[in-house]
Amino acid sequence: EVQMLESGGGLVQPGGSLRLSCAASGFTFSSYAMNWVRQAPGKGLEWVSGISISGGTTYYGDSVKGRFTISRDNSKNTLYLQMNSLRAEDTAIYYCAKSGTSIYYYVMDVWGQGTTVTVSS
Amino acid sequence: DIQMTQSPSSLSASVGDRVTITCRASQGISKYLAWFQQKPGKAPKSLIFDASTLQSGVPSKFSGSGSGTDFTLTISSLQPEDFATYYCQQYNSYPYTFGQGTKLEIK
Repeated sequence: EVQMLESGGGLVQPGGSLRLSCAASGFTFSSYAMNWVRQAPGKGLEWVSGISISGGTTYYGDSVKGRFTISRDNSKNTLYLQMNSLRAEDTAIYYCAKSGTSIYYYVMDVWGQGTTVTVSS
Repeated sequence: DIQMTQSPSSLSASVGDRVTITCRASQGISKYLAWFQQKPGKAPKSLIFDASTLQSGVPSKFSGSGSGTDFTLTISSLQPEDFATYYCQQYNSYPYTFGQGTKLEIK
């Protein structure tokens, strides 16, 4: 069974940093592009970032560009999201989502259960 | 960035009804449109990709159509488990973008 398990969420002060992890199982992690999507409390879905199979190509949403960094360790079947300079508006549930064998033109077909990030003083 | 506009934002329907949700892209996205279902407290679930292809295991009561800028999701014979929030999302170009969601409620 394809599964993703996010971790690393928590309470952090504005301006602080946090690193999220997403441990994948049940599929060949190194063969699939991956994404992060977030959902603020009571709001809709917002795509945050995507990464290619090798990690050599990355994309970011405008609201996180320059502050967040996506990466992956294919030897550990794990996806990461390094979040710096956090703001109150980054408060959300963060989901990792598996994509296709290319970073282009594939749907996010399987999602983790999410990890909650709260940015507050 | 491509803007995705869903309508309606909310919809009230009865068990057994057939409903249609519309999604419009601000520019052409070919067939690269997905539909997701989200229930309270749960992660989104992929229903349809490439505008009209059902994900494995998704019942045929769900159907999608459209290409270019205009798309629809139709759900037939509504059952209690279908009442949820539905999102469209384009994956034609980065940054990926979602519609604002349609909350489907029981009448």
